[in-house]
Amino acid sequence: SQKIEQNSEALNIQEGKTATLTCNYTNYSPAYLQWYRQDPGRGPVFLLLIRENEKEKRKERLKVTFDTTLKQSLFHITASQPADSATYLCAPGYSSASKIIFGSGTRLSIRP
Amino acid sequence: DAGVIQSPRHEVTEMGQEVTLRCKPISGHDYLFWYRQTMMRGLELLIYFNNNVPIDDSGMPEDRFSAKMPNASFSTLKIQPSEPRDSAVYFCASSLAREGSPLHFGNGTRLTVT
Repeated sequence: SQKIEQNSEALNIQEGKTATLTCNYTNYSPAYLQWYRQDPGRGPVFLLLIRENEKEKRKERLKVTFDTTLKQSLFHITASQPADSATYLCAPGYSSASKIIFGSGTRLSIRP
Repeated sequence: DAGVIQSPRHEVTEMGQEVTLRCKPISGHDYLFWYRQTMMRGLELLIYFNNNVPIDDSGMPEDRFSAKMPNASFSTLKIQPSEPRDSAVYFCASSLAREGSPLHFGNGTRLTVT
């Protein structure tokens, strides 16, 4: 069955360092992969989308990579700030279907 | 646009009671999704609609759960009868039909069944 795995443990990073979050998927051939941020008591908020024919995508301090051979996406936050502390979720998607399944999420904490 | 609106924000009910959660999607969006989030199971897709028609309800846990979308601007998720294990945060999300269109989530309904 289809499976999406993210860093199982919470990630604690010193402010200013680069945070790297992992999303691995099995039994999937997604056409794209989305990343979302979720703050406590709120719904997830879309951050970035990367397509299968794209190796890398950037948006300000965010960078996402997509390796279809390894079946993995990496999500990087450079020059991390305490305000980046949140849970981050990945969601692979298909071109012809709209069923969006989410990974379990990684809780990221940036300490000053 | 006000975004996806869910009500109520919190619901506390006793086991056996009927619970109805409500969602107003973003105007013009084609898809509507219902998710449930718990610490143990994460964010689970329950059901989704395209143009008010249910497309996939394979995530609905039991017959006690039902969802409707009578028109493009309103959807309900009903649990009857409710059980303590239904306690979770229920999210509604909507999106356009374009491939890769992001989901826009409401702020959820926190349901507690005692």
